[in-house]
Amino acid sequence: DVKVTQSSRYLVKRTGEKVFLECVQDMDHENMFWYRQDPGLGLRLIYFSYDVKMKEKGDIPEGYSVSREKKERFSLILESASTNQTSMYLCASSPQAGSGQPQHFGDGTRLSIL
Amino acid sequence: QKEVEQDPGPLSVPEGAIVSLNCTYSNSAFQYFMWYRQYSRKGPELLMYTYSSGNKEDGRFTAQVDKSSKYISLFIRDSQPSDSATYLCAMSALDDKIIFGKGTRLHILP
Repeated sequence: DVKVTQSSRYLVKRTGEKVFLECVQDMDHENMFWYRQDPGLGLRLIYFSYDVKMKEKGDIPEGYSVSREKKERFSLILESASTNQTSMYLCASSPQAGSGQPQHFGDGTRLSIL
Repeated sequence: QKEVEQDPGPLSVPEGAIVSLNCTYSNSAFQYFMWYRQYSRKGPELLMYTYSSGNKEDGRFTAQVDKSSKYISLFIRDSQPSDSATYLCAMSALDDKIIFGKGTRLHILP
C-alpha cells in the first residue's frame, strides 16, 4: 500500500512565523501535491511537483513556497504565517506525470495560526 | 458553471439501505473518475477509480460513469454505520491535476 506520511498531525504557530510542513512518500512516486481543505471550500491545490527540484503553482500559491530536494520528500513553507492560513493541509502523491493515476493522501496536518 | 458539482448533504439513511451519491461535471476532457472516502480528522482515502464510461464493482461499492450525461455515481449496498464519512468525487484529464467535488456528508443510522 502507498504510504504518505505528514510529519505533524496538529501544529500551532504564531503570526509572522516561518512554518515548515513535511511530507514523505514511500512508493517512488514522481508527482507530489499540497492542498488545503476548508469547510465549504473543499480541497484547493497550493503547489505541485512532477520531479525533484521542480515545482508548479496551483490555484492558491500566494503566501506559500515549496521545496523538493529528494524524490520522496515535498515540503510546504509558509513564509510569514497569517491567521487566514489556519487550515487542514493535505499532501498527496501519484505515480507519474500523464498517467491519469489517482492521488494518495496523507492524514493531514491541522495547522492553527494564532 | 462550476467544473464539478456535488450535493454537500448531509445525507442520513438507515443501516442496510442502498446509498446513492452523485456528481455532475462540465469538462468533457475528463477521462479518469475517482471516489474518495474521508473520515473526520483523516485524509481522503481512495475508494474507487475508473476510466471512461461504465460500471465498476468492488464489494459493496459500485461506481458508475455516464460521460454522455457528464454524471457519475457511487452506490453503497447494505450500508453500515462504519460507512459514515464524507465522500468526495474527483476527476481528471491527462494533466494529473485532479478536480474534486466538495464532498457529501453521509450518516448511516444504526
